[in-house]
Amino acid sequence: GQQLNQSPQSMFIQEGEDVSMNCTSSSIFNTWLWYKQDPGEGPVLLIALYKAGELTSNGRLTAQFGITRKDSFLNISASIPSDVGIYFCAGHQQNYGGSQGNLIFGKGTKLSVKP
Amino acid sequence: NAGVMQNPRHLVRRRGQEARLRCSPMKGHSHVYWYRQLPEEGLKFMVYLQKENIIDESGMPKERFSAEFPKEGPSILRIQQVVRGDSAAYFCASSPPFGNEQFFGPGTRLTVL
Repeated sequence: GQQLNQSPQSMFIQEGEDVSMNCTSSSIFNTWLWYKQDPGEGPVLLIALYKAGELTSNGRLTAQFGITRKDSFLNISASIPSDVGIYFCAGHQQNYGGSQGNLIFGKGTKLSVKP
Repeated sequence: NAGVMQNPRHLVRRRGQEARLRCSPMKGHSHVYWYRQLPEEGLKFMVYLQKENIIDESGMPKERFSAEFPKEGPSILRIQQVVRGDSAAYFCASSPPFGNEQFFGPGTRLTVL
């Protein structure tokens, strides 16, 4: 099945740094969602994007739905230690006449603290 | 307002046994999705259900796996005659009618010995 290409795979952050990650696809998506997953837990929804070009913020997080509908990025400003975790992009391609149906996920970007 | 509930959180089975995973969606949500996650991987879609209906099961193996979402009670993902390759984390998500956002439960970690 199709997967989204998410990069980078992993990155180290120092407190206070800005962080950027992105997701690309060869085909068009109807929505983009960004999730964070902590060890042993389920993904937690951070931001949802619905229209091409849309730019949405949630606190220190900002995400954009690419104009081509084939990509999205997530920025975290002034990172703090609790930002550590795995970030997943996910998107809908299908529409079941109202509900968007299943999500396709990227492989994740793992954020760790610089030693 | 309780989130998506899943139980058990951890399940250990021997090869050949059956595994039953339960999911109670958020209040007011009538759509349920099951995903599987292997270590170091993203989540892979398995099945999408509404009450008493399977909408899309294109991600679920044809044999040994089944899912239901009855009129009353939780959604159940059932794996018969488990094999070692079934070991994974299984997540359930729910969304409201006509909703695009899916909210995930804490997952069930299945280990097959």
